[in-house]
Amino acid sequence: QQQVKQSPQSLIVQKGGISIINCAYENTAFDYFPWYQQFPGKGPALLIAIRPDVSEKKEGRFTISFNKSAKQFSLHIMDSQPGDSATYFCAASIWGNTPLVFGKGTRLSVIA
Amino acid sequence: DADVTQTPRNRITKTGKRIMLECSQTKGHDRMYWYRQDPGLGLRLIYYSFDVKDINKGEISDGYSVSRQAQAKFSLSLESAIPNQTALYFCATSDLRTAADTQYFGPGTRLTVL
Repeated sequence: QQQVKQSPQSLIVQKGGISIINCAYENTAFDYFPWYQQFPGKGPALLIAIRPDVSEKKEGRFTISFNKSAKQFSLHIMDSQPGDSATYFCAASIWGNTPLVFGKGTRLSVIA
Repeated sequence: DADVTQTPRNRITKTGKRIMLECSQTKGHDRMYWYRQDPGLGLRLIYYSFDVKDINKGEISDGYSVSRQAQAKFSLSLESAIPNQTALYFCATSDLRTAADTQYFGPGTRLTVL
């Protein structure tokens, strides 16, 4: 049973455009929702994370939107740049108590 | 992250061989994890350890075993390697008290089983 479903599997965006990646979760006990970014040949690294007490969190060009009732959260990358080309993973957990469950990843390509 | 090291970085082995992948960390974190990454399947948890005396199975533990030799060391063993264990393996660490449970990943080990 896939606990975190991520879409799309791949995404191509023009430079300067908005990249949007969506995730849906099933376990209503999840209360921590991070996004990880992975460049080729590297391990994933935390990009941004949200707890369900807020509906949105913004850090620079990266924003997480969270919809608790729909059990969905999404990553928005504004003004996408070629340097943002990477694989993005959403994840979820019961913060501090369970390990992260990861989505299957989205390969983002930002083209000039 | 140089604070989390994995050895070897690449390994080619044959079916039936025993192989060990090692992970060391200098971050002082108490929690450690082993994942495998396959194209289109994302990151799947093999085993995790919340402290030296704690070992837990993850989503795909069959065919694998682990050893937490010290707070800083967590090894993954394949007792009898098979071709479908060919994958990219990542070790990660976290610490609830000092790092808000953010996971820090090593550089990965690419394993090929022939």
